[in-house]
Amino acid sequence: EDKVVQSPLSLVVHEGDTVTLNCSYEVTNFRSLLWYKQEKKAPTFLFMLTSSGIEKKSGRLSSILDKKELFSILNITATQTGDSAVYLCAVLNQGGKLIFGQGTELSVKP
Amino acid sequence: DTGVSQDPRHKITKRGQNVTFRCDPISEHNRLYWYRQTLGQGPEFLTYFQNEAQLEKSRLLSDRFSAERPKGSFSTLEIQRTEQGDSAMYLCASSLVSAGVSYNEQFFGPGTRLTVL
Repeated sequence: EDKVVQSPLSLVVHEGDTVTLNCSYEVTNFRSLLWYKQEKKAPTFLFMLTSSGIEKKSGRLSSILDKKELFSILNITATQTGDSAVYLCAVLNQGGKLIFGQGTELSVKP
Repeated sequence: DTGVSQDPRHKITKRGQNVTFRCDPISEHNRLYWYRQTLGQGPEFLTYFQNEAQLEKSRLLSDRFSAERPKGSFSTLEIQRTEQGDSAMYLCASSLVSAGVSYNEQFFGPGTRLTVL
């Protein structure tokens, strides 16, 4: 059965810290891996990763995929209180369906 | 605002009642997805449409659930004889799949939060 596992499940840091969120997967017919941010509403898209070893960056956020070891990481540098959210990792299979992990709840304290 | 809208945003119903939710995707998107999310979990896939055709249904989707996308634009999700276990956030997402089978990211609507008493 396809599964996506995220760790840690929750994380508390202080403003300015750097965090790394992990996502491992076992999905047949893998196509891409996506990261979403969810703040008490619908998930908002962050990144889509299809190729190994190519880092994607957006401001203080960056992400990379390793298709050999079947994992991805999401890094957030110089965290701010506005980064507090649940971060969801999802794998897109060849049929176009997203399989989500359970999420990492990040809390950034001032 | 992603451009995907859902209605209603909240629904409270009594066990045994039927409910219907609506999703309006981004207008040029040909794929429409329904997911269900319970507290502390990531969204779980329910079903999806390409244009008006329903292409896949999860085994989570019991025979009390039915979804339609009659004209390839908006979609409805109906739950008959609701049970307390149906309480969840129901999310709709849309995406554009091009003719060369290139998948773009899915954009999510705000969700409909269902509470079954």
